[in-house]
Amino acid sequence: AQKVTQAQTEISVVEKEDVTLDCVYETRDTTYYLFWYKQPPSGELVFLIRRNSFDEQNEISGRYSWNFQKSTSSFNFTITASQVVDSAVYFCALTGSARQLTFGSGTQLTVLP
Amino acid sequence: EADIYQTPRYLVIGTGKKITLECSQTMGHDKMYWYQQDPGMELHLIHYSYGVNSTEKGDLSSESTVSRIRTEHFPLTLESARPSHTSQYLCASSELRGDTYNEQFFGPGTRLTVL
Repeated sequence: AQKVTQAQTEISVVEKEDVTLDCVYETRDTTYYLFWYKQPPSGELVFLIRRNSFDEQNEISGRYSWNFQKSTSSFNFTITASQVVDSAVYFCALTGSARQLTFGSGTQLTVLP
Repeated sequence: EADIYQTPRYLVIGTGKKITLECSQTMGHDKMYWYQQDPGMELHLIHYSYGVNSTEKGDLSSESTVSRIRTEHFPLTLESARPSHTSQYLCASSELRGDTYNEQFFGPGTRLTVL
């Protein structure tokens, strides 16, 4: 069985602050993939990143960065200099041999002007 | 930019009615999925398909049914809607490419309310 835990239910920051969203996962697979999705108030899920279990390099894309650490089974997401448009629910997800996505419960991020 | 469409976006319907939620994608993806999501909560997989004439039930038990007669189309049907079916339904698709598990692209969702 696999599991994704996003312990932060809600986070509120003021614009331009940095914010980190935590994601901890459990799996028995040696090959697996991790994802982050953004769900704005409009409802659709927007794909942000995919990372496979053999690639522990951190990734940066503009103001977004991801820290993958197999030793702690974590795949954290940091937004630098947050903006109001970053307000959304962010989901971490995992898949492995079962080939189905398991989602965390999501973190509601509110960026205040 | 993903090209996956869902209609209707919003639906309010009475108990006992039969409804079909439409999902279409123009990316030629073999894999398609239906998720159910209560507001602000995690997504639960209710159905998936790996290609034409292939359908499977997901982790969450659902009274809905699906069909996959064409690659691009994956409708979900509720024969008799009940208030417990009130939720958001999200359709997704992804490529079937070797052993790599590719990202899923999501439609805008259908918010269903059953009175």
